[in-house]
This record gives sequence, C-alpha cells and structure tokens, in this order.
Amino acid sequence: NAGVTQTPKFQVLKTGQSMTLQCAQDMNHNSMYWYRQDPGMGLRLIYYSASEGTTDKGEVPNGYNVSRLNKREFSLRLESAAPSQTSVYFCASSEAVGLASYEQYFGPGTRLTVT
Amino acid sequence: GQSLEQPSEVTAVEGAIVQINCTYQTSGFYGLSWYQQHDGGAPTFLSYNALDGLEETGRFSSFLSRSDSYGYLLLQELQMKDSASYFCAVRDHNNAGNMLTFGGGTRLMVKP
Repeated sequence: NAGVTQTPKFQVLKTGQSMTLQCAQDMNHNSMYWYRQDPGMGLRLIYYSASEGTTDKGEVPNGYNVSRLNKREFSLRLESAAPSQTSVYFCASSEAVGLASYEQYFGPGTRLTVT
Repeated sequence: GQSLEQPSEVTAVEGAIVQINCTYQTSGFYGLSWYQQHDGGAPTFLSYNALDGLEETGRFSSFLSRSDSYGYLLLQELQMKDSASYFCAVRDHNNAGNMLTFGGGTRLMVKP
C-alpha cells in the first residue's frame, strides 16, 4: 500500500497562475483533508471532506477550492496564486468514525513557491 | 474556536527524559493527539488521549487532564533520531466530520 500520495512534490508558480494539487489514498478512508504549513508553524486546515460527495471549509479556505473526485482522490485548486500562498501543502486521510478516526495519515507534501 | 499553546523549542541530551507540555482551549473537546515531524518530512501519528491519565507506547507516553485542559508528551531514553518537531492537536467533532486543530509545534533538539 502506498498510503497517501501527492503530486507534484515541488512547484513554482508566478502570481496569478492557477494549478491543482492532487492527492490520493489507498486505505479506503472516508475522510480527507488539506492543510498548509508555513515555516516554523503548525498545520492549518484549508478544506476537508468528511465523506465522498461532501466538502467543507476549514480555518483558511480563502483562495482555494477543492474537489472530492471519488473516495480515493481529493484535489486542491489555486485559481489565482498569490505570494501569500507560498507554503508546504499536506493532504491527509482518516477513518470517519470509531476509534481509528483519530489518526490521520499524511502524504509527503507539496512545496509550492509563488513568485 | 480552538487555541493550543506549546513551547517553541526544547533541548535535551541523549539518554535523558523530556516533557513537552500543551494547554488548549476548545469549545468541543474530544481528545488530544500528538504528531512527530522530522525536518522535510510529513507528520506522523504518535498518540491519542480521550480520557484522563497516562498512555504509554514504548519510550513515548502521553498524558491528559481534561479538567485542566492540559496534556503532555513524555519522551524517555532520548535518542538522536528523536530530534524533530512535535505537535499537539485537539480533535473536534462537528456534524460533518472529525477535524484536528494543531498547535504551533515544539522543536526538540537532542544533543550528544
């Protein structure tokens, strides 16, 4: 099992460009999440999807959109990138209910620089 | 909303014991988690406490006091590979799902 995979690993964008970050998990998890992590800081939730077909805003959703394409895949889109979106983006997944739901599994991250 | 406080940095020597504290304020508390993150890596799950008391997993233990809104991660027999950032996170349940709110992280440096 690959766990949680993310593409690309690195990306450089110019201000105003758009891009989509891809995330997929093979653990049959219902819930998926997108976080950003700025240098020396904790993770902040951008959007999450409790189950296939649902998405909700997290703490910092402005400037982003998401799509839960199916149970495996959850993508994050930047429509018009800004330098303030320079960050490391992590995708995560977890069970939705029960004791296993408290453990989130993280992908390797996408390092995005917006110039 | 939620807020968590933890020290920004801790230094200890190999073989020692270190405690990383976390205090939290939250409107709907379900449990406290701890994650480890090495430089350039992804966070990985260490422990979860939903009830008061101490949970032990090998060299690592985690403690929770719900009445004090306080928890800590205890690392024993420190090894160089334990140098990493450690994040506490509050689990909050709403109608849509289970979300985590992370603290700012504690950078642990283990010296020989």
